[in-house]
Amino acid sequence: DAGITQSPRHKVTETGTPVTLRCHQTENHRYMYWYRQDPGHGLRLIHYSYGVKDTDKGEVSDGYSVSRSKTEDFLLTLESATSSQTSVYFCAISDSGAGKNIQYFGAGTRLSVL
Amino acid sequence: GQNIDQPTEMTATEGAIVQINCTYQTSGFNGLFWYQQHAGEAPTFLSYNVLDGLEEKGRFSSFLSRSKGYSYLLLKELQMKDSASYLCAAVGEDSWGKFQFGAGTQVVVTP
Repeated sequence: DAGITQSPRHKVTETGTPVTLRCHQTENHRYMYWYRQDPGHGLRLIHYSYGVKDTDKGEVSDGYSVSRSKTEDFLLTLESATSSQTSVYFCAISDSGAGKNIQYFGAGTRLSVL
Repeated sequence: GQNIDQPTEMTATEGAIVQINCTYQTSGFNGLFWYQQHAGEAPTFLSYNVLDGLEEKGRFSSFLSRSKGYSYLLLKELQMKDSASYLCAAVGEDSWGKFQFGAGTQVVVTP
């Protein structure tokens, strides 16, 4: 298994509260991604990073922010959680951004916003 | 992903063969990936195609036709453990590193 750890694995929170999810990797891969997975939608990219302090938006970035201050850590923050952000969140890493850039996924975080 | 289409569910018998089709539309093309995802688990990489043709890897094979925007994943000698969701993902030319995932095909293997 690729060395990817997501924390927490499960979280229940209330609408309007801030939430931070953490992705930690031990592979020294340059590229990191945050996805959400919802029934009928598959995996959708929220934000990605191509290096320390280098991040960009994906297709569903509204309401989310990210930070990457170290190669190994990529944080996803919901500034003020809403019920529509109830989902399973996956972090992924890859050592290439082009061509055969196989992405390896963490175990996921199940977030419920009540 | 709205530009990736694959069937929602397929059922097949243990020992049989199942073919999961995927059609995609991207601006340019930089590769087609297949992932397997068991319920409650992370997706795991199965195959990658960038050139036309068939890539074989044990019981699993993946085919690509770039001109048709079409791929399929072939699962042979089905086993109960193959019951899972299979995700098709395409990368466009200008979509560096960014996968467009289909909604996944749930394969149910029956005894």
